[in-house]
Amino acid sequence: DQQVKQNSPSLSVQEGRISILNCDYTNSMFDYFLWYKKYPAEGPTFLISISSIKDKNEDGRFTVFLNKSAKHLSLHIVPSQPGDSAVYFCAAIQGAQKLVFGQGTRLTINP
Amino acid sequence: DAGVIQSPRHEVTEMGQEVTLRCKPISGHDYLFWYRQTMMRGLELLIYFNNNVPIDDSGMPEDRFSAKMPNASFSTLKIQPSEPRDSAVYFCASSLGVGAGGEQGLAFFGQGTRLTVV
Repeated sequence: DQQVKQNSPSLSVQEGRISILNCDYTNSMFDYFLWYKKYPAEGPTFLISISSIKDKNEDGRFTVFLNKSAKHLSLHIVPSQPGDSAVYFCAAIQGAQKLVFGQGTRLTINP
Repeated sequence: DAGVIQSPRHEVTEMGQEVTLRCKPISGHDYLFWYRQTMMRGLELLIYFNNNVPIDDSGMPEDRFSAKMPNASFSTLKIQPSEPRDSAVYFCASSLGVGAGGEQGLAFFGQGTRLTVV
């Protein structure tokens, strides 16, 4: 039972354009969401997070949007750069419980 | 701090053999997680510990899998006997806590162990 879903296994974007990665969840009790970024042969690293009491959090080129009614969050990267090419994982936490991840989306930024 | 350290980085073993993966969490972190990365399920949580005590092992796929944390600075994930379908990248992660907000719940990952069972 996949509680956090990333339905796009891959995404290709032109350098300088906006990259939008999507994530859906089924558990309405999740109260904190995170995005992790993973390069080949490395472990995932934290990128940005958002609390369920907010609908937007911005950090430089990265913005995460949360739509609780739709149980949907998205990560926007603008402008996209070649170094952003990686696998992006969406994750969710419910209270004091475990961190649940999605399947990941491979983002490729084309020069 | 050097971060979460996993060993070995790569492991190739024959079906039926015992495999042991090792993890050293970040000093001071009281939560430790074992994840498995597969194409179909992404990062799948196998088990996690709090203060060296297993809290949730519902993700452990079968009795062939076992994990221990004898002290705050060391954990092992063991597969016995190993099978080809166990081939994956196994990650260990640690955090200060699993709550919501701020640094809480922020897990730091090791570089992973790529396991190949032939």
